[in-house]
Amino acid sequence: GDSVTQMEGPVTLSEEAFLTINCTYTATGYPSLFWYVQYPGEGLQLLLKATKADDKGSNKGFEATYRKETTSFHLEKGSVQVSDSAVYFCALKGKSGYALNFGKGTSLLVTP
Amino acid sequence: NAGVTQTPKFQVLKTGQSMTLQCAQDMNHEYMSWYRQDPGMGLRLIHYSVGAGITDQGEVPNGYNVSRSTTEDFPLRLLSAAPSQTSVYFCATHPPGGETQYFGPGTRLLVL
Repeated sequence: GDSVTQMEGPVTLSEEAFLTINCTYTATGYPSLFWYVQYPGEGLQLLLKATKADDKGSNKGFEATYRKETTSFHLEKGSVQVSDSAVYFCALKGKSGYALNFGKGTSLLVTP
Repeated sequence: NAGVTQTPKFQVLKTGQSMTLQCAQDMNHEYMSWYRQDPGMGLRLIHYSVGAGITDQGEVPNGYNVSRSTTEDFPLRLLSAAPSQTSVYFCATHPPGGETQYFGPGTRLLVL
């Protein structure tokens, strides 16, 4: 079945450091890929998405590129801020599916 | 618009008690889902619905019942709570063909 694997956390970075959170997937066909973010005490919010191979999703300085050849959708940001501290979830939705398959989440802590 | 609302925000139950977690949306989305979030497990799908009168099981449906009598509401029922159901529960919606899911703020449940 469809599944998502993302790097284990927690990840601790200093402000202005470069961020990469790895995400790989297993799915039949061409799923849509997502990154959701969960700030402390809140629900999940969509951060960015890509619906076909080679698409790049971007939002709030975060980027991720849909790589079909490596089945990956790594999240990157060039300069993190303290306000980026949150849990980040990679997810996929198959074309015939109704709901999302989530990775286990990666906790990010950015220190001043 | 309130979006997706969930009540209660927090609940403590004793083993064997029953309760209903409420989810309501004013976005007129046909698809609604219930997820549970556990540490190190990410989010796992419990049940979902593609419209009023139609529900189906997700990855972890045991111990939970759902019904969908209206587009707006999708309650999740625990008939006999168990400590293993201690978790944070999220409701989500999206329109048919839509890629983005919209999450409620969550209900934190503790079963003693």
